[in-house]
Amino acid sequence: DIQMTQSPSSLSASVGDRVTITCRASQNISTNLNWYRQKPGKAPKLLIYGASSLQSGVPSRFSGSGSGTDFTLTISSLQVEDFATYYCQQTFSNLLFGQGTKLEIK
Amino acid sequence: QVQLVQSGAEVKKPGASVKVSCKVSGYRFTDYSIHWVRQAPGQGLEWMGIIDPSGGATTSAQKFRGRVTMTRDTSTTTVYMELSSLRSEDTAVYYCARAGHYCGSARCYAFDYWGQGPLVSVSS
Repeated sequence: DIQMTQSPSSLSASVGDRVTITCRASQNISTNLNWYRQKPGKAPKLLIYGASSLQSGVPSRFSGSGSGTDFTLTISSLQVEDFATYYCQQTFSNLLFGQGTKLEIK
Repeated sequence: QVQLVQSGAEVKKPGASVKVSCKVSGYRFTDYSIHWVRQAPGQGLEWMGIIDPSGGATTSAQKFRGRVTMTRDTSTTTVYMELSSLRSEDTAVYYCARAGHYCGSARCYAFDYWGQGPLVSVSS
């Protein structure tokens, strides 16, 4: 089975900061990688699909990159609503989520 | 607009079963598969399975095989997930999510719409 390792597990940052979250797959998953943001008590929201495509309606401060085994989600300038938990998801084989990255206010 | 509206919170005893519904609207029911994902309190997201509303075919994660049943009712555009032999570790929020495809490959999909996710509590 493909394993997904997301890092860091938690991160402290300030409004306006640029942050990067990484997701590594244990084997090649091409670009079958999605990113979600989840606020407390809410369902996850799709941000990036296919590793680098911005979901409709999602602000352009979010971007994704990578292919194969290494992927990144970048938020160019953090806003208050971005303090949440982020998950990567691979859909190449036996759908699996990363363990999550909790982004907290510094 | 696309909506996935789920049934309400449930409290169950160990050994019982729970059936969660997910009524979809705003698109053709048979065009998109529906996945089930759960989240235990303070934990991450765990994929449970998928149902294809057009023919009713299902696939579940190895962990849940034999305990989970996914069905659909095309007349009411509702999908159901039933989990049996409940134990305390099954206490979680249970989400349904629509899988939208973004390319021709069966691997190119993402969960573009989600239900609100009811909490299922299992306690004696």
